Amino acid sequence: ETGVTQSPTHLIKTRGQQVTLRCSSQSGHNTVSWYQQALGQGPQFIFQYYREEENGRGNFPPRFSGLQFPNYSSELNVNALELDDSALYLCASSLRVRGNEQYFGPGTRLTVT
Amino acid sequence: KNEVEQSPQNLTAQEGEFITINCSYSVGISALHWLQQHPGGGIVSLFMLSSGKKKHGRLIATINIQEKHSSLHITASHPRDSAVYICAVRWDTDKLIFGTGTRLQVFP
Repeated sequence: ETGVTQSPTHLIKTRGQQVTLRCSSQSGHNTVSWYQQALGQGPQFIFQYYREEENGRGNFPPRFSGLQFPNYSSELNVNALELDDSALYLCASSLRVRGNEQYFGPGTRLTVT
Repeated sequence: KNEVEQSPQNLTAQEGEFITINCSYSVGISALHWLQQHPGGGIVSLFMLSSGKKKHGRLIATINIQEKHSSLHITASHPRDSAVYICAVRWDTDKLIFGTGTRLQVFP
């Protein structure tokens, strides 16, 4: 049991809509990373939050944005959804100490039609 | 060229066989992870290593930092080992770069 939870499990949206995905990190973890995994591909880094501040971003457009709250839970927001945004979205939490592991949540599967 | 490459992409085996999955990377890393992903998506961390070798049950992971190469071995494979195995390297604190995964199917 990793302790990282994500909601919702599955989501269907139409092109142009906005979506918010949520992640509750494992107790004691202060860092949350978000990843997008397209079908048949490895996960791609979207961004990371550490103590409520963005701490690095992958090659994703600004319509992908995030938040981290004082309890270290996090949201991923995607505006103006495109068909290619259909993917499994994974969050992973960790304690920002060198050598610590990331613990992954079960993911949210987003389908954009 | 991808920064993390795995081979093979797909692997089938008979129950009991010894399995090896390889991972090569081209960037400087602080650690390498082996992850397991079952259908449905959830990812489980199997190993995190930065040197040498680690063993957990029937799973063994090795890394050669000089050659930028790691291997994951499964001894006495079992159908429940069927999953996608992903290699990911850690750079710049906690950020991970993932390989595309190796899909393993073990038949009884």
